[in-house]
Amino acid sequence: DVKVTQSSRYLVKRTGEKVFLECVQDMDHENMFWYRQDPGLGLRLIYFSYDVKMKEKGDIPEGYSVSREKKERFSLILESASTNQTSMYLCASNAGTGEQYFGPGTRLTVT
Amino acid sequence: QKEVEQNSGPLSVPEGAIASLNCTYSDRGSQSFFWYRQYSGKSPELIMSIYSNGDKEDGRFTAQLNKASQYVSLFIRDSQPSDSATYLCAVNPPGSGTYKYIFGTGTRLKVLA
Repeated sequence: DVKVTQSSRYLVKRTGEKVFLECVQDMDHENMFWYRQDPGLGLRLIYFSYDVKMKEKGDIPEGYSVSREKKERFSLILESASTNQTSMYLCASNAGTGEQYFGPGTRLTVT
Repeated sequence: QKEVEQNSGPLSVPEGAIASLNCTYSDRGSQSFFWYRQYSGKSPELIMSIYSNGDKEDGRFTAQLNKASQYVSLFIRDSQPSDSATYLCAVNPPGSGTYKYIFGTGTRLKVLA
């Protein structure tokens, strides 16, 4: 059974803090993605990775960075959290067929 | 113009009826199309994908693709209250490999018991 896990379901951080969101998939997928989802804006791609140590910017990369040191793990980093980064963060992976499998999501609140 | 458009709803249907959800897209060269279901507070889960014109059936779900008219639809037969959720359409634009997907903002479906 396909499984994508995320390190936290809920997170509360203060403005200026460095935040790490971790995602692990057990399906040996090459591609992994980070999205954020906001009401009325839908899912927006932050970054994606198509191989270990390879990454590409998505539509809204500003204020974020990523790391993929192992195939199964893809981390999203908020270098200095701001209130406008309060959102639901969703990790996903796919094997190249286009069908994405999402993790449970992390609801991040920045105060 | 949004790249992928869906009516936000809510779309209300009685239990047992057919729910019809529609999605239009702007990039004519798009090749891959996906429907996801998202329950409130949960993450999206894949329902089905469709790549060719015509219908594709999976259980109570049927996806219909019309590339000439640039729309993809999802039909849910014998709708159940457990089908109440937001349905997201996603499109893979041409030239983006398997790396980029444009999501609609979703249609909220309410199935009334």
